Amino acid sequence: DGGITQSPKYLFRKEGQNVTLSCEQNLNHDAMYWYRQDPGQGLRLIYYSQIVNDFQKGDIAEGYSVSREKKESFPLTVTSAQKNPTAFYLCASSPDRNTEAFFGQGTRLTVV
Amino acid sequence: QKEVEQDPGPLSVPEGAIVSLNCTYSNSAFQYFMWYRQYSRKGPELLMYTYSSGNKEDGRFTAQVDKSSKYISLFIRDSQPSDSATYLCAMGTGFQKLVFGTGTRLLVSP
Repeated sequence: DGGITQSPKYLFRKEGQNVTLSCEQNLNHDAMYWYRQDPGQGLRLIYYSQIVNDFQKGDIAEGYSVSREKKESFPLTVTSAQKNPTAFYLCASSPDRNTEAFFGQGTRLTVV
Repeated sequence: QKEVEQDPGPLSVPEGAIVSLNCTYSNSAFQYFMWYRQYSRKGPELLMYTYSSGNKEDGRFTAQVDKSSKYISLFIRDSQPSDSATYLCAMGTGFQKLVFGTGTRLLVSP
C-alpha cells in the first residue's frame, strides 16, 4: 500500500527540548517537503529536498533542521531555537520538482 | 497584502447546491494552480490542478483560472455532506515553492 507515513500523529514535548518528526514514503518520489500549518494561515514551507543528500530552506526554516540520507525518509527536527513550535506539521512528496505534491496525514506537535 | 487571499468562511450550503470557492492572487508570475481538500485533522488531498487560464472539469468539480483578473475558482456541483471540509488553493511559479491560501471551510447540510 503506497503512501506517505508521518509519525507520531500527536506529539507532546516540554519547552526547550528538541523533537524529531518522522516522514517516510514508499512512492519512490524524488522530492519531499515539510510544511507547517497554523490556524488562520496558509501552509508555509519549512524545508524541501529534491534529491538524496540535498535540501533547501523554505520560507520559515529558522529553528528547524532536516536530513535526507535515504530517498524514502525526510525527518524534521524542531529545535529549542524555534520560538513557536506548537503547530500541525505536514510532510509531502512528489515524483520530481515539476510535479504536484501529495501529503501525509500530519503530526500535531504541542510544546508545553 | 498577502500574495494569496482566500475567504476563511465558513460557507454553509444545503445538500445539492452549487458551491463556488475563490482565491485571488497578486503575483502575475504564478503559473500553477491547485485546489486541495482537507478534512479536520488530516493532510490535504489534491483535487484539481491547472496550468493555464480556462476551465478544467473532473466529475462534480470544475476549476477555473482567470489570469487576467488574477482570480481562481473551484465549483462543486450537487454538493454532498461528505464535501464538508476546508478547501485550500495553492499556486506558484513552480511546484517546489507553492503559496497557499488560508483555506475556506465548507459546510454542506443534509
